[in-house]
Amino acid sequence: EVPLLESGGGLVQPGGSLRLSCAASGFSFSSYAMAWVRQAPGKGLQWVSSLSDSGGRTYYADSVKGRFTISRDNSKNTLYLQMNSLRAEDAAIYYCAKGPYHDSSEWFEYWGQGSLVTVSS
Amino acid sequence: DIQMTQSPSTLSASVGDRVTITCRASQTISTWLAWYQQKPGKAPNLLMYKASTLQGGVPSRFSGSGSGTEFTLTISSLQPDDFATYYCQQYKSYPYTFGQGTKLQIK
Repeated sequence: EVPLLESGGGLVQPGGSLRLSCAASGFSFSSYAMAWVRQAPGKGLQWVSSLSDSGGRTYYADSVKGRFTISRDNSKNTLYLQMNSLRAEDAAIYYCAKGPYHDSSEWFEYWGQGSLVTVSS
Repeated sequence: DIQMTQSPSTLSASVGDRVTITCRASQTISTWLAWYQQKPGKAPNLLMYKASTLQGGVPSRFSGSGSGTEFTLTISSLQPDDFATYYCQQYKSYPYTFGQGTKLQIK
C-alpha cells in the first residue's frame, strides 16, 4: 500500500478558493509524477492535472486551466491543488494519484481516499 | 482530445460467468491504456496498464487485450467481489481521458 491522504475539501461559494493537500508516505515521493483526478457525484472520472517529480512540468485539463494550480513540496512529501474562481461544475470528490514514472503520470498506480469539494451559495 | 467510449454501460452477469467490457478510442493510442475498478464510496483501483499488463496483486482472472483503437477487459470467472464499475483510461496524450464507465451488476 502507498498511503495518500487528501485534505482541505469543504463547502465554498461560487467564485471562491480552496487548496487541497495530499500527504504521501511509503514511497520516494520526490521521484514520481503525481496527479489530481476528480469525480462529480454519481458521475465518471475526470483527469484534472499532473506534474512531474520536480514540479517543473505541469499539465491541466482545459476546464480548469487558468483557475487551478498544481504544485508540490518534496521536502514535505505533499502535493497541492490550489483552486480559484470555483464554479458549481467543479463540485466533486478530488483524488490525488501517484504515477509510475518521474516525468509523466500516465496511469494512476495508487489513489488517495478522496476529498469532497462542494461549491454552493 | 481523445474520446474513450465503453460498452456496454451496464452489464448484468452471474457468479462464474465470463464477461468482456469493450473500450474504443477516437484515435489510435497504441497500447497506452489502463483499466480501473471502482466500488461504491471507494477510490478507483488500478487493474491493468499498457493494455494487458496486470498490476501486482490483481487476480489472474482479469485480462486485457487490444491495441490501436479497440480494447477489451475480460474477467474469466466472475467472483462476488468483482461487481463494481470499470473504467478505461488513455494516456497517450494530454488531456488524459476516461471512458464513461461500465457498471457490472449481479443478474
